Amino acid sequence: GDSVTQMEGPVTLSEEAFLTINCTYTATGYPSLFWYVQYPGEGLQLLLKATKADDKGSNKGFEATYRKETTSFHLEKGSVQVSDSAVYFCALTGNTGGFKTIFGAGTRLFVKA
Amino acid sequence: GAVVSQHPSWVICKSGTSVKIECRSLDFQATTMFWYRQFPKQSLMLMATSNEGSKATYEQGVEKDKFLINHASLTLSTLTVTSAHPEDSSFYICSARPWTSESSYEQYFGPGTRLTVT
Repeated sequence: GDSVTQMEGPVTLSEEAFLTINCTYTATGYPSLFWYVQYPGEGLQLLLKATKADDKGSNKGFEATYRKETTSFHLEKGSVQVSDSAVYFCALTGNTGGFKTIFGAGTRLFVKA
Repeated sequence: GAVVSQHPSWVICKSGTSVKIECRSLDFQATTMFWYRQFPKQSLMLMATSNEGSKATYEQGVEKDKFLINHASLTLSTLTVTSAHPEDSSFYICSARPWTSESSYEQYFGPGTRLTVT
C-alpha cells in the first residue's frame, strides 16, 4: 500500500539556519503530495502542495519539489524563525482507494533564538 | 476561505458515557469528511471516511459500533464515542474535502477535539 517516510525528529536549529526535512513516498499511480504544519494544541494547516511531477509548492518561505524519479518531496526553508517551531507532516493522497490521505510520522522542529 | 470548525474543542467525560463531536465546514460544501485520531507526539491515524447521505467507511481495526459517524448534510459530520473508556482519550481531528477539489485532493482540517475519559 501507499506509504510516506519522513526523517525522524526532533530537529533543532538556530534562527536563520537552513532547514531540510526529508520525505519519500511509495504509491501507485500519481499521488498529490502535501506538507502540513501543526502548532502545539492545534489542528493541521496546509503548508504547501504539489499535484504532479516537477511541480514546486511554496508558501511562507517554505518550498518542496515533487520528484517522481526519486519519489521524494523534501521540505526546505532558507532561513527559519522561532515561529516556525512546530510539527511538520508530509502526506500523500493517491488517486485510488477512495482518495485517502496517508501521513508520515511527523517531524518536530525546534528553532532557538 | 475553507474553514472547518469542531465542537467542542475539549471535553472531559466519565468512563461509560458517550460523547458527540461535531465537524462543520463553514464556507464550503463537503461531500467527504474524514475523522482522524492522534495520540501524543504521533501521526494522524485515519479512522473513517464519511460521505454525505451514506454510511461511513471505517478503517481496519476501528470499531464502527464504538465510533458512530453520521454525515447528515454537506456541512456537518458527527463522531460519537459510545461508552467511552480511558483508552479512548485522544485528540480527534476531522477534515473536509470540498466537492470542487477532487482533482487536487485537498482537505481542510478542523482544530481538533481533545477528549479525556476519566
